[in-house]
Amino acid sequence: SQQGEEDPQALSIQEGENATMNCSYKTSINNLQWYRQNSGRGLVHLILIRSNEREKHSGRLRVTLDTSKKSSSLLITASRAADTASYFCATRYGGSQGNLIFGKGTKLSVKP
Amino acid sequence: NAGVTQTPKFRVLKTGQSMTLLCAQDMNHEYMYWYRQDPGMGLRLIHYSVGEGTTAKGEVPDGYNVSRLKKQNFLLGLESAAPSQTSVYFCASSGQGSNQPQHFGDGTRLSIL
Repeated sequence: SQQGEEDPQALSIQEGENATMNCSYKTSINNLQWYRQNSGRGLVHLILIRSNEREKHSGRLRVTLDTSKKSSSLLITASRAADTASYFCATRYGGSQGNLIFGKGTKLSVKP
Repeated sequence: NAGVTQTPKFRVLKTGQSMTLLCAQDMNHEYMYWYRQDPGMGLRLIHYSVGEGTTAKGEVPDGYNVSRLKKQNFLLGLESAAPSQTSVYFCASSGQGSNQPQHFGDGTRLSIL
């Protein structure tokens, strides 16, 4: 499976700190998306970055994409306890008719 | 705003039993998907549909069947449940186009004894 891989698998920080999660993938992509999953819930779309973009911001989220290294990072600034969740990257490949390939996720714990 | 609704939320089956998981979306999306999520495995695509009356296989289709008779509904069937199908099943939908995000339901937790 051409799966993205998140790093680290788990991350524990204090409220107010920044959290950085990384994603690596294997082949050329159309876009890369980040999703959040709270415990016992479905995934929620956070942000999408296209293959011709290098950086994108949304509120406290900053996503970068380095296609030469086939990697992306998600930065959450000034984290809050409510940010505690699992974060997944998902990549869309050419000709996949809308299909996404999800990584295994990073479990983020933000302690108050 | 309902979004994507999955029923049931929980179910316990015995090996060999059959059941159908229901997914409904109210966003007029063309594309719908069924995934399974297992510990340490992330989400894996079972089947998907790009429009009413069409279905296609994903990464792990064996043991499952699907139907999309109406645009808003996508059904996932297990004809003869096996313990290996114990998982959390998620339905998602999206608009057409490669830059459309997917919208997920809250999942069905299925245990096969």
